[in-house]
Amino acid sequence: DQQVKQNSPSLSVQEGRISILNCDYTNSMFDYFLWYKKYPAEGPTFLISISSIKDKNEDGRFTVFLNKSAKHLSLHIVPSQPGDSAVYFCAASEGGTYKYIFGTGTRLKVLA
Amino acid sequence: SQTIHQWPATLVQPVGSPLSLECTVEGTSNPNLYWYRQAAGRGLQLLFYSVGIGQISSEVPQNLSASRPQDRQFILSSKKLLLSDSGFYLCAFTGLAQETQYFGPGTRLLVL
Repeated sequence: DQQVKQNSPSLSVQEGRISILNCDYTNSMFDYFLWYKKYPAEGPTFLISISSIKDKNEDGRFTVFLNKSAKHLSLHIVPSQPGDSAVYFCAASEGGTYKYIFGTGTRLKVLA
Repeated sequence: SQTIHQWPATLVQPVGSPLSLECTVEGTSNPNLYWYRQAAGRGLQLLFYSVGIGQISSEVPQNLSASRPQDRQFILSSKKLLLSDSGFYLCAFTGLAQETQYFGPGTRLLVL
């Protein structure tokens, strides 16, 4: 079963607009969430994380929102830039398990 | 600073041949180490993780094995490769905070 889901395989956004990437999870024991950006043939790069004790974390153009009751998190990128075009993965971890469960990724294309 | 290295970057191997991929981490002690595989067009599948020397947890029964002969060294092996072993293999670690996971550059394996 897929504990972390990214239901949109792809997303296209105009440069300068907001990109919103979504992620849903099923395990209520997850307490730490991360977003990664990945270019082809490279390892994922860590973007931003959020602990379950918060509902928002912001770092520059990137903001992650966590809705624990809905078991949903989202990554907002504003303004979107062509260099943001990549595959974005969300991941979740349950404290003490040492494991990180990844979603299947969303391919973001920012159009110039 | 913490860094992670993987080699080789690309590998083409015939079916039935052995495999050895190496991963090393610098700048941290006693990291948790991970091997993932990304098959074409798919998400990141956790293969193995290790919380200490000689301690290996396997997530998916398969044709591969892992070993951790030193604190900051993680090796992925196979005695006989299958066509289905083709993919992009990623090594990752968590450092002292054991929250954020960082990835290496990856190894692209093609089994022919």
